[in-house]
Amino acid sequence: SAVISQKPSRDICQRGTSLTIQCQVDSQVTMMFWYRQQPGQSLTLIATANQGSEATYESGFVIDKFPISRPNLTFSTLTVSNMSPEDSSIYLCSAQRTAGRAEAFFGQGTRLTVV
Amino acid sequence: AQKVTQAQTEISVVEKEDVTLDCVYETRDTTYYLFWYKQPPSGELVFLIRRNSFDEQNEISGRYSWNFQKSTSSFNFTITASQVVDSAVYFCALSEAANTGRRALTFGSGTRLQVQP
Repeated sequence: SAVISQKPSRDICQRGTSLTIQCQVDSQVTMMFWYRQQPGQSLTLIATANQGSEATYESGFVIDKFPISRPNLTFSTLTVSNMSPEDSSIYLCSAQRTAGRAEAFFGQGTRLTVV
Repeated sequence: AQKVTQAQTEISVVEKEDVTLDCVYETRDTTYYLFWYKQPPSGELVFLIRRNSFDEQNEISGRYSWNFQKSTSSFNFTITASQVVDSAVYFCALSEAANTGRRALTFGSGTRLQVQP
C-alpha cells in the first residue's frame, strides 16, 4: 500500500489569505486527486492533479480559487486562495495506481478553519 | 454518470447488536470498483474493502462482512456484534475504470453509526 503524508494537518486562517496544502506519496502513482469535505458532508472531488500539466477541475471549482501543482509523480500541492469562512472544510489528497490493485489511498486530511 | 446512494443518514444501535449499512450505486460502466471507508471523529479515511465488478463473492473479515449484488446494484456492509469503537461515519464509494486509468471516487453521503454501550 502507499503511504500519503499531508500537511498541515490543521490550520486556522484569516479570511482573505491563502493556504497551500502539501501531499507526498511514498511511491510513484499515476493518479492524484484532491477532495473537499465540508462540515457534516460527504467528500466532493475538486480536481485531478496531472503531472506536468494543468489540473482537471470538476464543475464548481476553478483554478484561480484552487490552484494545484504536481511537479512529479509523488508530490502535489493544493492552494486555497482568498479564503472565506465558507472554505472551512477538510481537504484530502488521494492517490491511485493505474494498474494493479485499485485501492485509493488517502492522506490524513487538512482541517481548515477560516475566521 | 455514476452515483452512490446511502439512504441511511444515521443509525444507532446498542453494543453487540448486528447492523447493516446499505449502499446502492449507479454506473454505465461494466468495469468498476466499489469501496467502503470508515471515518472516525479524528477525520482520517480508513480503507475497509475494495471490490471489483467481476467479483461477486461476498467477503468476511472478522466482524465485518460485505454483500455485493450486481442484480440490485447494491454493496451492503454488515458489522456483527458491534462495539463502541465502531462508532464513525461510513462511506461507500464507486470508481469507474476508464481507458486512461482509474477515475476518482464518487462517494455516497455517508452513514453515521453510533454504538451505545
